[in-house]
Amino acid sequence: GQNIDQPTEMTATEGAIVQINCTYQTSGFNGLFWYQQHAGEAPTFLSYNVLDGLEEKGRFSSFLSRSKGYSYLLLKELQMKDSASYLCAASGNTPLVFGKGTRLSVIA
Amino acid sequence: DTGVSQDPRHKITKRGQNVTFRCDPISEHNRLYWYRQTLGQGPEFLTYFQNEAQLEKSRLLSDRFSAERPKGSFSTLEIQRTEQGDSAMYLCASSLASTGAPLHFGNGTRLTVT
Repeated sequence: GQNIDQPTEMTATEGAIVQINCTYQTSGFNGLFWYQQHAGEAPTFLSYNVLDGLEEKGRFSSFLSRSKGYSYLLLKELQMKDSASYLCAASGNTPLVFGKGTRLSVIA
Repeated sequence: DTGVSQDPRHKITKRGQNVTFRCDPISEHNRLYWYRQTLGQGPEFLTYFQNEAQLEKSRLLSDRFSAERPKGSFSTLEIQRTEQGDSAMYLCASSLASTGAPLHFGNGTRLTVT
């Protein structure tokens, strides 16, 4: 079966760091994606992890542990524009399976 | 390239009517995907194509849903005899056919069935 779990909502303060966790189960796992989706807009690609470890890309980093079926997205130096939904998606034997998304609110 | 294009952006229809949505992918992408998204949920996979071949269609929500990609370029998604429960955002995405290739999404077609 396929299952993606991530928290529904998170709130963080401007300038702070926030970590959004994701656990997954998918057949034939071959990678983990993170997407950002602002309200009323299309999802946009943030990161892809296939090997264990941390991938850093500017203020955003993504981590993967294949043995634990676990990933997280780390956002540093939060800005108000980072308020959005963050979607975890697993790639496997079928096309991308998305989680329900974590709605992040950045407050002043 | 302007990215993935979807038409129309919004569609309001009465229950029982048929609707058809169009998607134009990024030109060099040979994979094309259809997803559905409802409020507060992540995108739900419906079907996908590699060139003109439909590789997976078992996730289409019912036999009222069908998709085509006749020449391996644009695609259409048709919903027959629409129901109120079909109201959602229908997202199209395209990608290269390689492991790890990210999906690029269009802005979607928002369907409202009254």
